[in-house]
Amino acid sequence: SAVISQKPSRDICQRGTSLTIQCQVDSQVTMMFWYRQQPGQSLTLIATANQGSEATYESGFVIDKFPISRPNLTFSTLTVSNMSPEDSSIYLCSIRGSSSYEQYFGPGTRLTVT
Amino acid sequence: GDSVTQMEGPVTLSEEAFLTINCTYTATGYPSLFWYVQYPGEGLQLLLKATKADDKGSNKGFEATYRKETTSFHLEKGSVQVSDSAVYFCALITGNQFYFGTGTSLTVIP
Repeated sequence: SAVISQKPSRDICQRGTSLTIQCQVDSQVTMMFWYRQQPGQSLTLIATANQGSEATYESGFVIDKFPISRPNLTFSTLTVSNMSPEDSSIYLCSIRGSSSYEQYFGPGTRLTVT
Repeated sequence: GDSVTQMEGPVTLSEEAFLTINCTYTATGYPSLFWYVQYPGEGLQLLLKATKADDKGSNKGFEATYRKETTSFHLEKGSVQVSDSAVYFCALITGNQFYFGTGTSLTVIP
């Protein structure tokens, strides 16, 4: 399986600021996914990012709040904009495996907004 | 719609105890089923999977059998260790969409 890394691993940010999370994969992948895991809860898909096209956002998530870049087949960024304490979560980057029914996750970015 | 329902936690067991975490699903098609594990401070790792009815997934002493008749995929381990303390997520994929359960926290005490 591919190796997925994320930066930063954790951060504490002030209300109203923005944070950009980076996701790097050690092989080329078509689709990358961004998830949010709020404290004590399951994963919620934020958006799907394909290289060369606009990200597709799930219901309840908008591009102005969570802009995503996908400049090439191994890298993506997610920005959490104008943060509030409700944005405190773990943000996870994910890819599909070569057999498309498997999904692999990065180590996550633990964000705390004060 | 498609969904996964997991046994609520937290679950606390003594070392060497038998573990069962229940998972049932609802799906219109023929899903593949998964268990993921999240150790403290880490991301999700794929623990095991089953892609069709009666398949048994197994890894690290954990097992789960895809039961179509009961729409279940219960996770079991015969003898848990302290190092198994983690949050376990049941998941399914149908079509191109993944669905995750809410997670079950397991603590194993010596």
